[in-house]
Amino acid sequence: AQSVTQLGSHVSVSEGALVLLRCNYSSSVPPYLFWYVQYPNQGLQLLLKYTTGATLVKGINGFEAEFKKSETSFHLTKPSAHMSDAAEYFCAVSVRSSNTGKLIFGQGTTLQVKP
Amino acid sequence: KAGVTQTPRYLIKTRGQQVTLSCSPISGHRSVSWYQQTPGQGLQFLFEYFSETQRNKGNFPGRFSGRQFSNSRSEMNVSTLELGDSALYLCASSLASGDSPLHFGNGTRLTVT
Repeated sequence: AQSVTQLGSHVSVSEGALVLLRCNYSSSVPPYLFWYVQYPNQGLQLLLKYTTGATLVKGINGFEAEFKKSETSFHLTKPSAHMSDAAEYFCAVSVRSSNTGKLIFGQGTTLQVKP
Repeated sequence: KAGVTQTPRYLIKTRGQQVTLSCSPISGHRSVSWYQQTPGQGLQFLFEYFSETQRNKGNFPGRFSGRQFSNSRSEMNVSTLELGDSALYLCASSLASGDSPLHFGNGTRLTVT
């Protein structure tokens, strides 16, 4: 069975500082990996995804993530935090061999950005 | 291209009632998935429909059901509402391959009193 663990339910950084949100997954087969962001009273917006190829994936709003198979990790980073980055972030996996729309989500990490 | 549209945005119901939520996917997307989001349980998969057929189901009681129409629009129904059904219900559509990202609507906030 697949699972996703996001380390740290709350992360606080200063504006301009590095953002690092951690995600580890468990999967019996190589998964597809996603990061989503959710702003208050809104749905989830895709930040980036890893399916195959280059393990460093660039997404929207300056975010990127690196797939490390040996560590079963897919951590999300951004070099310099903006106030507008304050939101909840979700890491998710899906089964590579499936054709379904089912994702397994982590519990989410709330990012606070201090001025 | 219009995004995923969910109606209504907010609902208040009483225990024991039933409710129907609606979702219009992105044009061309044939897969529609539903998720329940609560502070305690996070995002949990309810079910997925593809070409009017349910092809995946999460671990929810039979009070939760859904359907998909020929135009890919989907509805989910919850019967005999319980207080614990209070949640944000999110609909997502996709092109239905494993690497296709889900595109989410803004959700329906259901409050059961």
